[in-house]
Amino acid sequence: AQRVTQPEKLLSVFKGAPVELKCNYSYSGSPELFWYVQYSRQRLQLLLRHISRESIKGFTADLNKGETSFHLKKPFAQEEDSAMYYCALRETSYDKVIFGPGTSLSVIP
Amino acid sequence: GAVVSQHPSRVICKSGTSVKIECRSLDFQATTMFWYRQFPKQSLMLMATSNEGSKATYEQGVEKDKFLINHASLTLSTLTVTSAHPEDSSFYICSARGRGVTEAFFGQGTRLTVV
Repeated sequence: AQRVTQPEKLLSVFKGAPVELKCNYSYSGSPELFWYVQYSRQRLQLLLRHISRESIKGFTADLNKGETSFHLKKPFAQEEDSAMYYCALRETSYDKVIFGPGTSLSVIP
Repeated sequence: GAVVSQHPSRVICKSGTSVKIECRSLDFQATTMFWYRQFPKQSLMLMATSNEGSKATYEQGVEKDKFLINHASLTLSTLTVTSAHPEDSSFYICSARGRGVTEAFFGQGTRLTVV
């Protein structure tokens, strides 16, 4: 079955420290992977997707098919990065998006 | 980005009644809409996918007679929770995607409380 795992429920880092949010997936086809972010009291919004290979708000994520991972990284965490982060996989054959359990990132001033 | 609006944002209903939640794409045509359910401190669970003008595709374990989904137009999908029970209390979120686009935009969610 297709799955998305995020091993850390909670992650705390100090401001200015590097941050890495882990995401692993299992999918038999060619995956499309996304990171979504949900700030406090706001709706879910797309942060970045592997296809565009862009950097948003200093975050990057590289798809590693060998390790079936799509970890989210930022070299220097900011307080405003504190939020809930969800890794998601789009099943191209069934056209649906599956979310991982999420990681709550807390950046300590 | 595109705007998706859900209404109502909060609703309280009595056990046994039905409640309808609307999901509208305000500035684009949504050919596909997704309905999710989120329990406290848990991830989003996909309930069903609906394409405009056709029947919704429900995920395994989701009762289609309990959660009626209608996607009658390119800007509106509705989720009706029929004969609601307290265990249906949850946060329901919709997302909408336009034709030929992979990104889906999310509504703000609806908090349903069944008493």
